Amino acid sequence: TQLLEQSPQFLSIQEGENLTVYCNSSSVFSSLQWYRQEPGEGPVLLVTVVTGGEVKKLKRLTFQFGDARKDSSLHITAAQPGDTGLYLCAGARGNTPLVFGKGTRLSVIA
Amino acid sequence: EAQVTQNPRYLITVTGKKLTVTCSQNMNHEYMSWYRQDPGLGLRQIYYSMNVEVTDKGDVPEGYKVSRKEKRNFPLILESPSPNQTSLYFCASSFITGDEQYFGPGTRLTVT
Repeated sequence: TQLLEQSPQFLSIQEGENLTVYCNSSSVFSSLQWYRQEPGEGPVLLVTVVTGGEVKKLKRLTFQFGDARKDSSLHITAAQPGDTGLYLCAGARGNTPLVFGKGTRLSVIA
Repeated sequence: EAQVTQNPRYLITVTGKKLTVTCSQNMNHEYMSWYRQDPGLGLRQIYYSMNVEVTDKGDVPEGYKVSRKEKRNFPLILESPSPNQTSLYFCASSFITGDEQYFGPGTRLTVT
């Protein structure tokens, strides 16, 4: 059973469109991290959300942590080809290793 | 520059020939981890280490060994590689367990 479910698995959109990807769980996390992985590279941290209901913005990317700290979403406004990549969410639970979702593979077509 | 380095980046080998993938970090991180990434399966943790001389199994430890003799290094050893270990491997480190992870560039391993 996957502890963190990400949806959709794949997303292909045109440049300029908006999109939202989701990271859901039945477990509570102390924090949730979002990473982006580009082809041929390791994942790189985008943001960490810690407080239930927290919203963080990173340019055109908006991250939200659910009130119950069980889920999170990433919204991209006016997607650009440079946003193409694999988006991974990872949940932290105390002094145990991070739990990673399987990721959403985003392709933004010019 | 703060970084995690892995070597080699690419490796093609044959079944049964022992190999080691090195991992080193220069950030004085206590926590280090190895993952494998396969299509449709995501990142799966192989082993992790919360500090020097402390290692624990992750979700898929069979066929792998690790050691943590120094804080900066965390090598991954495949004593007798098999084709099902063909994968993309990532080393990662963080200050403490559960903190932001810094990933290496990956090692693409092919076992024939």
